[in-house]
Amino acid sequence: DAGITQSPRYKITETGRQVTLMCHQTWSHSYMFWYRQDLGHGLRLIYYSAAADITDKGEVPDGYVVSRSKTENFPLTLESATRSQTSVYFCASSEEGYEQYFGPGTRLTVT
Amino acid sequence: RKEVEQDPGPFNVPEGATVAFNCTYSNSASQSFFWYRQDCRKEPKLLMSVYSSGNEDGRFTAQLNRASQYISLLIRDSKLSDSATYLCVVNMYFGNEKLTFGTGTRLTIIP
Repeated sequence: DAGITQSPRYKITETGRQVTLMCHQTWSHSYMFWYRQDLGHGLRLIYYSAAADITDKGEVPDGYVVSRSKTENFPLTLESATRSQTSVYFCASSEEGYEQYFGPGTRLTVT
Repeated sequence: RKEVEQDPGPFNVPEGATVAFNCTYSNSASQSFFWYRQDCRKEPKLLMSVYSSGNEDGRFTAQLNRASQYISLLIRDSKLSDSATYLCVVNMYFGNEKLTFGTGTRLTIIP
């Protein structure tokens, strides 16, 4: 019973590199979300998806790309990483009208 | 003005005491309300939903005041294990699963 997993858990990359963070859930939840968490800002929504092949922007989408070809996977790509994207990234999933369950997070450092 | 505002704390409270947190939200049409708990360097987890009539779960009581646009969380007989950051979370828009998170209130229970 894995629930929702994220990989990698820790990543250090250089400015300008492309980075992909993976998110996988085993519940077949319709909705999936990507957040970033920074001191003083709390959790901010980057992108979300209501179903496979349906994605939409959240509060802070610039510099990020998502896709959802399968219900269970929701990868987040930083096309050209910048230092301002150093953060903790959380993936979450839910069914409509129910609580969101979060993955363990990915700590990303951009040098 | 932030959409969801919380006192960041920290609250340092002796074991066994009662502690209360408040949270205000900006959108009067907000649909649903939650308290999440986040332990240090971990993912957020749902503590409880907040219903219009108020609700209780063991030592925890949540209240909603729609007229004043605030929600509260009361913890009675606090335990060391209650030490965490408490996130006020609001679903602001009907038919939308997006959640807006407060920056959190940090609570430390002192033995």
